[in-house]
Amino acid sequence: DSGVTQTPKHLITATGQRVTLRCSPRSGDLSVYWYQQSLDQGLQFLIQYYNGEERAKGNILERFSAQQFPDLHSELNLSSLELGDSALYFCASSGLVTTGELFFGEGSRLTVL
Amino acid sequence: GQQLNQSPQSMFIQEGEDVSMNCTSSSIFNTWLWYKQEPGEGPVLLIALYKAGELTSNGRLTAQFGITRKDSFLNISASIPSDVGIYFCAGLSRNNNDMRFGAGTRLTVKP
Repeated sequence: DSGVTQTPKHLITATGQRVTLRCSPRSGDLSVYWYQQSLDQGLQFLIQYYNGEERAKGNILERFSAQQFPDLHSELNLSSLELGDSALYFCASSGLVTTGELFFGEGSRLTVL
Repeated sequence: GQQLNQSPQSMFIQEGEDVSMNCTSSSIFNTWLWYKQEPGEGPVLLIALYKAGELTSNGRLTAQFGITRKDSFLNISASIPSDVGIYFCAGLSRNNNDMRFGAGTRLTVKP
């Protein structure tokens, strides 16, 4: 158990819809990262937050947005969903010093039909 | 953005064999890491390398941080069935603001 909690674990929705994925980081971790993993693909970095502020941005689509709240949990919002958005979405957290050790949740599997 | 080229894409080996995989980049990283992902789970850190030329072991795993800071390799000795999974290299850039992952090496170990 990494200590990172993601909900929901599975989500099935239709094209054009909007979903919100939620992540609770490990206790005490200030950084939250979001990654997308498509079938048989690597981990694509989407966005990072540190203590409520956006710190780094990767290949995140304009249809996607995220935020980190004062209690440090984070949400990833995916809107105008397309078939190609079907993927595993991972949240990871890290502590104060960015050593590279990320603690990943079990992921949220999104299926867009 | 920074691209990590990881190879091989997949490996099918016999139990007991040694495994070697590597990762290269056109950019310099000041930290290289290797993660393993098992089915249905998120990646877990195996080894972290913080200094160019560093060679680090973790049990049967050995990884090295290339002296050019643009590459790293991971070796697994005497593979066992539980080594099955996807191995990802990852690089942390100078500003430490984001971490990029390679495409992964999918390892299958036949008993």
